[in-house]
Amino acid sequence: SQTIHQWPATLVQPVGSPLSLECTVEGTSNPNLYWYRQAAGRGLQLLFYSVGIGQISSEVPQNLSASRPQDRQFILSSKKLLLSDSGFYLCAFPRDGPTEQFFGPGTRLTVL
Amino acid sequence: AQSVTQPDIHITVSEGASLELRCNYSYGATPYLFWYVQSPGQGLQLLLKYFSGDTLVQGIKGFEAEFKRSQSSFNLRKPSVHWSDAAEYFCAVSGSARQLTFGSGTQLTVLP
Repeated sequence: SQTIHQWPATLVQPVGSPLSLECTVEGTSNPNLYWYRQAAGRGLQLLFYSVGIGQISSEVPQNLSASRPQDRQFILSSKKLLLSDSGFYLCAFPRDGPTEQFFGPGTRLTVL
Repeated sequence: AQSVTQPDIHITVSEGASLELRCNYSYGATPYLFWYVQSPGQGLQLLLKYFSGDTLVQGIKGFEAEFKRSQSSFNLRKPSVHWSDAAEYFCAVSGSARQLTFGSGTQLTVLP
């Protein structure tokens, strides 16, 4: 069956430190993959999406970047975290159809 | 560009009462519309979706939503709310690149 994993579940990092969040999917090949961020008290914002290995589209300019080194792996990174990077990061893919998305469990990031 | 507005930030209802959460969208073509629910600290779960056809769609957990093109709305309803329905609810529209644009969410509190 198709499923999605995110790691780590929670993370506390100091301002200026690097970041690497991982998203992996199972049971499918070459899926579209998406990174969303949910800031406290706000809705979800699309950050990046990828239609294949090495193909990244950025929706919002920021100090974050994304990479897709493997077919079923999507990485969210930063060289230097800002306080405003705190939030809940969700990875998603179209498990049940091309126009809908199935979300992973999320990573709660707190930047101090 | 598509957008979604959820005018109610917070709604409180008594258990057993009926519920309606409002959602208005802006999209140039026929929209794909979704309602997701997020329990505290959890990822998002799809409640229901509208692609085409019958404008009244049924979802999980006893929820339904009605697509009204003339009003650009996709309101979520439930005839009798349960305490376990307390959560945050997000309306979303699917764009051309298959990514979702979310509303800012409505927090539902259920009183005993």
